[in-house]
Amino acid sequence: QSVLTQPPSVSGAPGQRVTISCTWSASDFGADSHVHWYQQLPGRAPIFLIHADSNRPSGIPDRPSGVPDRFSASMSDTSASLAITGLRTADEADYYCQAYDRRLNTWVFGGGTKVTVL
Amino acid sequence: EVQLVESGGGLVQPGGSLRLSCAASGFTFNTYEMFWVRQAPGKGLEWISYIDTTGRDIFLADSLKGRFTVSRDNVRNSVYLQMSSLTVEDTATYYCARVDGYGDYDTYFFDHWGQGTRVTVSS
Repeated sequence: QSVLTQPPSVSGAPGQRVTISCTWSASDFGADSHVHWYQQLPGRAPIFLIHADSNRPSGIPDRPSGVPDRFSASMSDTSASLAITGLRTADEADYYCQAYDRRLNTWVFGGGTKVTVL
Repeated sequence: EVQLVESGGGLVQPGGSLRLSCAASGFTFNTYEMFWVRQAPGKGLEWISYIDTTGRDIFLADSLKGRFTVSRDNVRNSVYLQMSSLTVEDTATYYCARVDGYGDYDTYFFDHWGQGTRVTVSS
């Protein structure tokens, strides 16, 4: 069981907006945590999608070139969110959040959220 | 273009050993730290290991210490995962990933991934 908690699944109709949460206990990660999101299409390797953290230095883009701005991410003290607007069938995938556990010197992933387009 | 190509996976009996390789190209390999990650069938992602640019600084998931080791060869532009005393729970697709970040370890993320190599532990 991961210290980063994601809902197992979310769904939406084409064109709709869906959000995926990634939550943790304040005792696990500090308020200045850095969270990143990955997309894994069916049968494919994961790819880096977007940074969620607000502590990123200016000049560091929040996403690789090629990731559409339909994807956005945000963070608060003990949660991060990935939003997908204008949902498309091509967005059907598993999405993972990731952070670093300073207590254990390990990098951790959330359990993953499967996005289904209805 | 950044490319990471894993190899060495296959079928191995419980208790056996396997060495996975990850060949890197398209970037200056000796300036990047590297990760290994695995994914059991139908399950989520599990971080396995980190290795710094020189190979001297290594972190391993606690559950794998004593059985897995990681190394790199900056001449061959490759990183390796040596796995021993394998159990059925080690059955997974193993990915290498390049490290990127904008500060300390807590900013590190997995910016490029290989396609993975499948390891099946079964008698």
